[in-house]
Amino acid sequence: EVQLVQSGAEVKKPGESLKISCKGSGYSFTSYWIGWVRQMPGKGLEWMGIIYPGDSDTRYSPSFQGQVTISADKSISTAYLQWSSLKASDTAMYYCARSTTIANWFDPWGQGTLVTVSS
Amino acid sequence: QSALTQPASVSGSPGQSITISCTGTSSDVGGYNYVSWYQQHPGKAPKLMIYDVSKRPSGVSNRFSGSKSGNTASLTISGLQAEDEADYYCSSYTSSSTVVFGGGTKLTVL
Repeated sequence: EVQLVQSGAEVKKPGESLKISCKGSGYSFTSYWIGWVRQMPGKGLEWMGIIYPGDSDTRYSPSFQGQVTISADKSISTAYLQWSSLKASDTAMYYCARSTTIANWFDPWGQGTLVTVSS
Repeated sequence: QSALTQPASVSGSPGQSITISCTGTSSDVGGYNYVSWYQQHPGKAPKLMIYDVSKRPSGVSNRFSGSKSGNTASLTISGLQAEDEADYYCSSYTSSSTVVFGGGTKLTVL
């Protein structure tokens, strides 16, 4: 079974750094793209960016370029989303999801990681 | 990059059909056959319902269908059931080599 399992919920203070993870299993991790999607409380889905673990080719939405870093460690089939300095406005649910290409659909999705940033 | 435009809400009675629209531009919806639709129940991760405009993944009911005309894609759900009540999001590949989602539509089954 193809699965993406994300790391657990995080509570952080503004200015702190954070790295959340997404571990793939049941398929060749290096042959598919992994994307990240933000969902702020009560709001819609936002495409943040995507990485191809096979060669670490990474693309970002203009809205998130410079705000987050997407990376992957293919040796442990895990993708990451990280912040160097969190803001209260980063409070959201973050989902990872698999795609066959940059253009294509996301399936499956991880269960989501809730990030809460509050002083 | 602006989100694709979806109606905020739609509703229908059990057994009826509803259609959710998703309007973009020639740089996204109109330019590529890479439109997808996702269903999201409260507190759950999104689920793929339609991909490549009109294809259904294995396991998705054939009551769900997708289409596209010009810059507008549509998701039709026939034979509405209570379990279809959820939020629905469209997405499209764009000319900037990114993906954009729609704002989401809340479906209420009356």
